[in-house]
Amino acid sequence: GAGVSQSPSNKVTEKGKDVELRCDPISGHTALYWYRQRLGQGLEFLIYFQGNSAPDKSGLPSDRFSAERTGESVSTLTIQRTQQEDSAVYLCASSLATGGEQYFGPGTRLTVT
Amino acid sequence: AQSVTQLGSHVSVSEGALVLLRCNYSSSVPPYLFWYVQYPNQGLQLLLKYTSAATLVKGINGFEAEFKKSETSFHLTKPSAHMSDAAEYFCAVSEGNTGGFKTIFGAGTRLFVKA
Repeated sequence: GAGVSQSPSNKVTEKGKDVELRCDPISGHTALYWYRQRLGQGLEFLIYFQGNSAPDKSGLPSDRFSAERTGESVSTLTIQRTQQEDSAVYLCASSLATGGEQYFGPGTRLTVT
Repeated sequence: AQSVTQLGSHVSVSEGALVLLRCNYSSSVPPYLFWYVQYPNQGLQLLLKYTSAATLVKGINGFEAEFKKSETSFHLTKPSAHMSDAAEYFCAVSEGNTGGFKTIFGAGTRLFVKA
């Protein structure tokens, strides 16, 4: 079975542009997470989806950030009006709700120039 | 709300020496605890997890961690370091089913192994 996939792997954008990052979780995983990892730092929780429940958006840093998930499949993280401080690796992970173990994708490296 | 503190952003050991990476957590409910490893230029992968069963948890590559409720700790150890253990290690806490599995990660500890 395929693991978590993310696209694009790298994205360079100009300040002020919008970007959309995609995550394909492992089939059957009801939980999906987005994290941000700035260079040399730990993982910063952004948002969490669990089945059909309302997502936990408590980690989104500003209203420029939003995410959607279609059922228990693909998720997209959108950053509007990008700023240089948004430059980071954005990681997606999925898990079975009962296990809690998360399986991570390879990440999208976002560079805002 | 849960939180995680990893003591020491960098740890250096000699090959063959004991590895000890420290993690303290806070949680309002019995936690689920995890250690993840990130090898250079690779994605994160699970080393081991604690989910309220045995307090001493064994993981991959000879690593283990002990859950100590009284100390709110979940330190990671390995008796003898190998060069291939050089990586970044992240401790994470989740409040499990009660908290909806939201997971908070520590800032990470980079392990260096000297020959």
